[in-house]
Amino acid sequence: DSGVTQTPKHLITATGQRVTLRCSPRSGDLSVYWYQQSLDQGLQFLIHYYNGEERAKGNILERFSAQQFPDLHSELNLSSLELGDSALYFCASSPQGSWAFDEQFFGPGTRLTVL
Amino acid sequence: SQQGEEDPQALSIQEGENATMNCSYKTSINNLQWYRQNSGRGLVHLILIRSNEREKHSGRLRVTLDTSKKSSSLLITASRAADTASYFCATESVETSGSRLTFGEGTQLTVNP
Repeated sequence: DSGVTQTPKHLITATGQRVTLRCSPRSGDLSVYWYQQSLDQGLQFLIHYYNGEERAKGNILERFSAQQFPDLHSELNLSSLELGDSALYFCASSPQGSWAFDEQFFGPGTRLTVL
Repeated sequence: SQQGEEDPQALSIQEGENATMNCSYKTSINNLQWYRQNSGRGLVHLILIRSNEREKHSGRLRVTLDTSKKSSSLLITASRAADTASYFCATESVETSGSRLTFGEGTQLTVNP
């Protein structure tokens, strides 16, 4: 158990819909990272937040957005969903995260299925 | 596109043997990390090696980094059936949009009892 929690574990929805994935980092960790893992694209870094501020963006689509709240939990919002958005979405946390990626602790993931 | 490319894509060995996985990348990096993922589950961080380091050990794991060849290798010694998993390398590089971590496609390791 990494100490990172993600909800929900599974999500099934239809094309065009909007969903919100939630991540709670390990206690004391200030950084949250979001990743997408699909058969087509493999593991892709989406976005990194540090202490409430966006620090780095990866291959995140404009239909996707994220935020980190004052209590440090984070949400990833996916809108206008397409079939290709079906994937495992992981969040990870780390203690630091100024700009360097040090050891991250991954959550169990949310499996999103878009029908 | 994936910066890190693992080689081989799949590896099947007997318990007790050593397993070597390789990772190549294209751009300058700050560090390289290896992760393990059991089927459908989250990633587990194994080891991080910085760009100014050449070799690092952690238990049965040995990682080397050759920045001149832009490659890294992960050696698992005395493998066990529980080592069966996918192994990913990930490189951290700094770009204009900020620091990012790029994963390779992974090596599927199967350790047969």
